[in-house]
Amino acid sequence: SYELTQPPSVSVSPGQTAKITCSGDALPRKYAHWYQQKSGQAPVLVIYEDNKRPSGIPERFSGSSSGTMATLIISGAQVADEGDYYCYSTDNSGDIWVFGGGTKLTVL
Amino acid sequence: EVQVVESGGGLVKPGGSLRLSCAASGSGFTFTNAWMNWVRQAPGKGLEWVGLIKSKTNGGTAHYAAPVKDRFTISRNDSKNTLFLQMKSLKMEDTAVYFCTNGDSWGQGTLVTVSS
Repeated sequence: SYELTQPPSVSVSPGQTAKITCSGDALPRKYAHWYQQKSGQAPVLVIYEDNKRPSGIPERFSGSSSGTMATLIISGAQVADEGDYYCYSTDNSGDIWVFGGGTKLTVL
Repeated sequence: EVQVVESGGGLVKPGGSLRLSCAASGSGFTFTNAWMNWVRQAPGKGLEWVGLIKSKTNGGTAHYAAPVKDRFTISRNDSKNTLFLQMKSLKMEDTAVYFCTNGDSWGQGTLVTVSS
């Protein structure tokens, strides 16, 4: 079955740039999407189609994708950005979707 | 903005069945054209895609994650803007909050607990 691999945790100081990676064999052909989830809340889409930002998402959130790896970049991370981040994509068929295992971002 | 509301969760015994519903609506949102997903999250765990149903114009087919294939069935009623998840042969490992989403809008989820 298809898998997306993320690091379990990333830690940065306030104001630094946080980078969260997601690797998957189909990513050269399929978009990656990114969700932020804070404790007890529903996920929020922060990046879609590799690098597009939904309305209302701060400009410090950006995304990139190259080869089998997609990256979520938070420039000037804030304490408010702490939470779990998940990449989301589909296998080569386009019918089976998966989430990465999630990355816990700590900003302190 | 799209409003998504899940319902139907509860306590069920192993081997039992349960049907979840999801009502989705909002300004500028056409349920008929939406590909709708179910996603679940077990206590303390990450997000897990359960399955999706395509819009009828895209064939209306449903696709499932391996752990639920042949036990869960996704359907939709476009006239009522409602999505369903029929779950049977439930296992303790199906215990989770179940979310309905079109990809960018999510409900708050409904808790399904499978326990004897």
